[in-house]
Amino acid sequence: ILNVEQSPQSLHVQEGDSTNFTCSFPSSNFYALHWYRWETAKSPEALFVMTLNGDEKKKGRISATLNTKEGYSYLYIKGSQPEDSATYLCAFGTSYDKVIFGPGTSLSVIP
Amino acid sequence: EPEVTQTPSHQVTQMGQEVILRCVPISNHLYFYWYRQILGQKVEFLVSFYNNEISEKSEIFDDQFSVERPDGSNFTLKIRSTKLEDSAMYFCASSEGGGLDTQYFGPGTRLTVL
Repeated sequence: ILNVEQSPQSLHVQEGDSTNFTCSFPSSNFYALHWYRWETAKSPEALFVMTLNGDEKKKGRISATLNTKEGYSYLYIKGSQPEDSATYLCAFGTSYDKVIFGPGTSLSVIP
Repeated sequence: EPEVTQTPSHQVTQMGQEVILRCVPISNHLYFYWYRQILGQKVEFLVSFYNNEISEKSEIFDDQFSVERPDGSNFTLKIRSTKLEDSAMYFCASSEGGGLDTQYFGPGTRLTVL
């Protein structure tokens, strides 16, 4: 059974702090790695899709890296703001159109 | 901005009843997905659909489940005989291409089976 792990489970940071969290996935059968941001009472919102080992993507203060050989991806948030508070999900694509989600990291940014 | 819509937002049903959850994907998208999230648990992939047929499904997606694109706009998930454990949030998503493309999620339907 393919499993995707995320750590930490939850994180509380002060406004202005930078933070990062990890997604671990199987290093075999890799197709793509997705990151989503999910605010309470809203739909998951796509942040990044990464496919190549060594990929780095950036969107504003959020960036992500990918290591497919060792099976992990990091998501970084620089200078966290209260509006960054959400659950961050990674999803491991095992084929063209099937993904396995991790349990998420819940981020709370304290003003 | 185009968005994925889902109806109803909340469905309450009795165990053993059939339910149909409806989704309207973004109009130029070709790939459609259903996911579910049982309260307190991970989002789980159920099925992907392309070119009017299922392209992938998970072990959760057994004979009780079916999907259909009955017309050019709707994408439905049917659960034939609901069980208590089917209570969950069901999300529809669509993407223009397949796995390398961004998936856009709908707001979800909360299914409660009594």
